[in-house]
Amino acid sequence: NAGVTQTPKFRVLKTGQSMTLLCAQDMNHEYMYWYRQDPGMGLRLIHYSVGEGTTAKGEVPDGYNVSRLKKQNFLLGLESAAPSQTSVYFCASSYPPLGHREAFFGQGTRLTVV
Amino acid sequence: QQQVKQSPQSLIVQKGGISIINCAYENTAFDYFPWYQQFPGKGPALLIAIRPDVSEKKEGRFTISFNKSAKQFSLHIMDSQPGDSATYFCAASRFGAGTSGSRLTFGEGTQLTVNP
Repeated sequence: NAGVTQTPKFRVLKTGQSMTLLCAQDMNHEYMYWYRQDPGMGLRLIHYSVGEGTTAKGEVPDGYNVSRLKKQNFLLGLESAAPSQTSVYFCASSYPPLGHREAFFGQGTRLTVV
Repeated sequence: QQQVKQSPQSLIVQKGGISIINCAYENTAFDYFPWYQQFPGKGPALLIAIRPDVSEKKEGRFTISFNKSAKQFSLHIMDSQPGDSATYFCAASRFGAGTSGSRLTFGEGTQLTVNP
């Protein structure tokens, strides 16, 4: 049981390049999320999904796209990377809300855009 | 708009001391208040959580105090240990069915250092 796995762990991009971050979870969770973590700003929600085939915008969605073609995978895409997207990205998943709503996080992807 | 504000940004405590981190929220519809602990190079992990129908929850050395009228909650770490050194995030969420989900809104984070 690996939990939430993110690929890659580190990446350096040039401005204007594109890339996809992959998140995979093996807990059969319905809900998946992408957050970015920046110093002094906590974790901010980029996009999320409440089930296979669904996606929705979070707090800071501009410049990112997502897809959830399979229940266990949630992809985050950057079409044209900008230096402002330099950050640590975390994927998380959770079971639907029935009381305790723990979110399980991956180990993060550190992205630098130069 | 930061709906959950956390303080202090950093905190240094001696071993055996009490660490206190405070959070304030704006949205009265929030009904779940967790604290997450993050070690360097790792993702956040749930530490302890509380619902607004209780004023305090204790798990081992960790206690959440909740003040619904003031819209504030705090994390107390008793007998702080060097192994507690980490970044702590408070968060809040509101039950949401369908496309709303149960999104967590996080505070800014507190970097705790416990000196030996």
